[in-house]
Amino acid sequence: GAVVSQHPSWVICKSGTSVKIECRSLDFQATTMFWYRQFPKQSLMLMATSNEGSKATYEQGVEKDKFLINHASLTLSTLTVTSAHPEDSSFYICSARDASRTDTQYFGPGTRLTVL
Amino acid sequence: KQEVTQIPAALSVPEGENLVLNCSFTDSAIYNLQWFRQDPGKGLTSLLLIQSSQREQTSGRLNASLDKSSGRSTLYIAASQPGDSATYLCAEHSGNTGKLIFGQGTTLQVKP
Repeated sequence: GAVVSQHPSWVICKSGTSVKIECRSLDFQATTMFWYRQFPKQSLMLMATSNEGSKATYEQGVEKDKFLINHASLTLSTLTVTSAHPEDSSFYICSARDASRTDTQYFGPGTRLTVL
Repeated sequence: KQEVTQIPAALSVPEGENLVLNCSFTDSAIYNLQWFRQDPGKGLTSLLLIQSSQREQTSGRLNASLDKSSGRSTLYIAASQPGDSATYLCAEHSGNTGKLIFGQGTTLQVKP
């Protein structure tokens, strides 16, 4: 089946630094990718929709200057958490929508971010 | 505002028992509904997707139903096994946008 990878799988950083998380669709093209965050024992909350070749669409309450999204190719979207703080510590999960089967999307394994 | 609710938040059953997980949603014009499994610290595994024109989907020991009129979906797990222990999430598709609205999840423990 289709595979979506995320890199890194976990990262620990100091407060004030920026962290980039990659989301790749390995065997299909994804014109649309989605970024979610999940706090411990909570559900997934959609942060933004990443569209290939255009600006991302952010959900209400999500700071676009804080969470920079770039979707430069049909197989790669990146989420950069800028000037990270401890409250940004969370599990970040991406999903990729198969361009040829728009009802189908696949989730990555997630990235655990811990900001000290 | 579209909302998805799952009850109960946690469930513990002995091995072999049949069980039902519940999901309710507020959007009567639901597009699709999907059930996922999440193991601790891991991503999501899609279990079943029910399109709005369908009433149920089956895969192995799993059966998911969709009742748009009552705003409910159920996930039925037959003959539960310890390996079924995980958090089960239901999600409503927001139209054809690809956006998913997730419930809070039900954490299932199947005791050997």
